[in-house]
Parts: sequence; structure tokens; C-alpha cells
Amino acid sequence: GQNIDQPTEMTATEGAIVQINCTYQTSGFNGLFWYQQHAGEAPTFLSYNVLDGLEEKGRFSSFLSRSKGYSYLLLKELQMKDSASYLCDLTTSGTYKYIFGTGTRLKVLA
Amino acid sequence: DVKVTQSSRYLVKRTGEKVFLECVQDMDHENMFWYRQDPGLGLRLIYFSYDVKMKEKGDIPEGYSVSREKKERFSLILESASTNQTSMYLCASSLLGGGDPSGANVLTFGAGSRLTVL
Repeated sequence: GQNIDQPTEMTATEGAIVQINCTYQTSGFNGLFWYQQHAGEAPTFLSYNVLDGLEEKGRFSSFLSRSKGYSYLLLKELQMKDSASYLCDLTTSGTYKYIFGTGTRLKVLA
Repeated sequence: DVKVTQSSRYLVKRTGEKVFLECVQDMDHENMFWYRQDPGLGLRLIYFSYDVKMKEKGDIPEGYSVSREKKERFSLILESASTNQTSMYLCASSLLGGGDPSGANVLTFGAGSRLTVL
């Protein structure tokens, strides 16, 4: 089966950089997604990694190491609006499923 | 932009009632999903559908059924609601399934339906 692990909660200061880690175990890895979810709202897509390395999208970057079963989401120049939950989502080949971690709640303090 | 619309944002039902949660997407996506989201448990897959009239059980299908008579609509049914089904229910759709490597498998979520069963 699949298993995904990410920290429950993190706190950081406005303007800082924060790294949210996600470790996973699976067979037939296909891709890893990151979603952002503000309280009371739907998750929205942030980033997607299929191959090893870093994907950069503005203030957000995501890194993947398939051999280590490890990904992280890097948020730079933190803003108050970045306070949200960040969901790590795993997909595996040969299946329609998406498997989510429990999410990391990020609090950005002034 | 793909839009996924869930018919009800908030519902309050009584134990034993039959509950219908409707979800409609407007971009001809093949795949649709129902998740429930609970604190500390994250998103758990209830059912998904990869084609009209096709359905597959997810990780927690007990107490739920689904219907997909048209491509754009995926309904979640609680035949006899129970208090442990109080939760946030999220519908999502994707053009291709999670196993597709092309990147065309990003999930688009609806705003959610918060169900309280008394």
C-alpha cells in the first residue's frame, strides 16, 4: 500500500522561507502533487513533480527525490495569506487514485 | 477554468435520513472523485468514477453509494445517515486519472459540502 507522512503544523515569520517536507512509501510511483487549502475552502493545485529535482513557480518550489521517497515544498518571502494547510498528494501508475497526506497547517506570523 | 460545483455548502440532517450530495463539473473531465475530510485524518477517498456509469470503491466506501448517469454529474448518496458521517465532503475531477504521467491529472476541487448529522 501507500503511506504518506508530513508534519502536522509549522509556524514561520512573514518574509521568511519555510520548507514543508513530505515522505512517502509506495510501489509504482507516478507523480507527487502539492495543494494549498485555506480554512473553509477547497484545495487548489500548487505544484507537480514527476522527475527528480526542483520545480520552481514564483515564490513556490517543489523538490522530489524518488530514490529517497521524499519531497518538499519551499515557500519564499512568506506572506500572511500563505497561512493555510498544504497537502502532499501521491499518484501511482496503473491506478486512478490520488492518495493524500494529512496536511501541514502553516501559520505565518507578523 | 474548470469549475466543479457542489450543490450544497451546508446541510443538517437527522440520523437515518437519506442524503444526496450533488457535484457537477463543466469541462468534460473523465474522472470524478468524492472525498471526506476530517481533522487529523486528511482527505480520504470514498468513491471515484472514471467513466459514465462506472464506479470504483475508494478507501472508505462503507455507508455510501454513488451515481454517475451523465459525464458531468457525480452524486454521493448516504442511504441512512449516521452521526459518524458528519464531515466535510469534497468533490473533485480530473481530465485523466492519477496514474497518467502527463500532468493532465491535476485535481480540481469543489468548494465542499459540510454535512452535520444529528
